[in-house]
Amino acid sequence: QQPVQSPQAVILREGEDAVINCSSSKALYSVHWYRQKHGEAPVFLMILLKGGEQKGHDKISASFNEKKQQSSLYLTASQLSYSGTYFCGTEQGAQKLVFGQGTRLTINP
Amino acid sequence: NAGVTQTPKFQVLKTGQSMTLQCAQDMNHNSMYWYRQDPGMGLRLIYYSASEGTTDKGEVPNGYNVSRLNKREFSLRLESAAPSQTSVYFCASHPGVNQPQHFGDGTRLSIL
Repeated sequence: QQPVQSPQAVILREGEDAVINCSSSKALYSVHWYRQKHGEAPVFLMILLKGGEQKGHDKISASFNEKKQQSSLYLTASQLSYSGTYFCGTEQGAQKLVFGQGTRLTINP
Repeated sequence: NAGVTQTPKFQVLKTGQSMTLQCAQDMNHNSMYWYRQDPGMGLRLIYYSASEGTTDKGEVPNGYNVSRLNKREFSLRLESAAPSQTSVYFCASHPGVNQPQHFGDGTRLSIL
């Protein structure tokens, strides 16, 4: 079952904040976050494993709610380099990793 | 470190032709995956192989076959290509549960 991401697209000015959500109707084993630049392969950002977990580096962080049915990715004081499409992925047993449909983030100067 | 290598990078086929996309990883990962990416559809799982000798269907397996030749290599075959299979195909490998996936650079496939 594919996780649902929202919003589908976001347009920001440099320095603004963004939140991307990833949700599922069932509890998840874990949530992966990836970023993909146009014409390139997805690049790993972080994994969250435990309910209530928060994790981050630099100005990009993520949380996993207690019920493990929703994760949010937070981008603060956005930079031009943050532009791209963000995907959440969920492990659905037996090494099966399924991704959401993606959120396109555009940062304008 | 090469990581995950996909060949070819680009290919144009005619409807009905067959083709095999190749993928190899040098990280000794157990699991390997094939995804297709279409505009607005995200990454959709075609087939995966949790370990050498096993393969399983993903979300969109129709029209494709796979072979896990050995631990390093996982190929995707289109027996009779259709225009609906025009897409960017990504191969990925995965060392184990709760670990990041590593992606290849993709194969851009057009079917006329």
